[in-house]
Amino acid sequence: SQQGEEDPQALSIQEGENATMNCSYKTSINNLQWYRQNSGRGLVHLILIRSNEREKHSGRLRVTLDTSKKSSSLLITASRAADTASYFCATDYRDDKIIFGKGTRLHILP
Amino acid sequence: GAVVSQHPSWVICKSGTSVKIECRSLDFQATTMFWYRQFPKQSLMLMATSNEGSKATYEQGVEKDKFLINHASLTLSTLTVTSAHPEDSSFYICSERVADTQYFGPGTRLTVL
Repeated sequence: SQQGEEDPQALSIQEGENATMNCSYKTSINNLQWYRQNSGRGLVHLILIRSNEREKHSGRLRVTLDTSKKSSSLLITASRAADTASYFCATDYRDDKIIFGKGTRLHILP
Repeated sequence: GAVVSQHPSWVICKSGTSVKIECRSLDFQATTMFWYRQFPKQSLMLMATSNEGSKATYEQGVEKDKFLINHASLTLSTLTVTSAHPEDSSFYICSERVADTQYFGPGTRLTVL
C-alpha cells in the first residue's frame, strides 16, 4: 500500500482545546509535510519538516518527527471553529513522490 | 498567488464519454507533474507521474489506457479519463514539485452520470 497511517481517523474536540494527530510511515523519507483540506476543496500546505529536524513550529501548529519510530505528530493549540477540516500527512520519498496518509477528520465543537 | 491551475474545476458528463482535465504550471517550468485521485472521505492516491516529453509513469493498479496523460510542454499536463463510468467520479488533483515543495492545483471534481 502506498499510504502511511494516521490516527485518529476522526477527532471531535471543544473549541479552545488542543488537537493532536499522529502519522506513521513505512520507509526512509526526505521530509514530511502536513496539509489541510476543507470539505470538497483543494489542499493547503501547513508545514514541512525535514528528516534531520525533530520539531517545527508555525503559529498555533507544532510538528514533531521521530525518524527512529517513523512517525510524526501535528499539534494544533487553542483550536478554533475554522480549524475544522481534514488533515493529511504526506511523506516525500527519494523518488520525488509525495504519498499521503489516510487523514484525520477534525471537528471543532462550538 | 496560485502556482498551479486546473481546468475545469468541475465537470459532469454522461457515462461513456471522455473528459480532459488540464493542469498548468503558472510560475515554473515543470518537467514533472503528478496526478492524484481522491474519492469522497478518503485520502489522495497517487495515480501517475507525468514527465515532459516522455511517457507517464503509472502507479500499480492504475490503467494507463483508461487515464491518458500527456505532458507536451513544460507548463501543461493533461489527464484524459477515457470512456468514463460512474466509478470514475472523483476529485482529481495535479501537483508540481519545485525544490522541496509540492504545489497542488485546486482540483477538478468529475461526476459521471
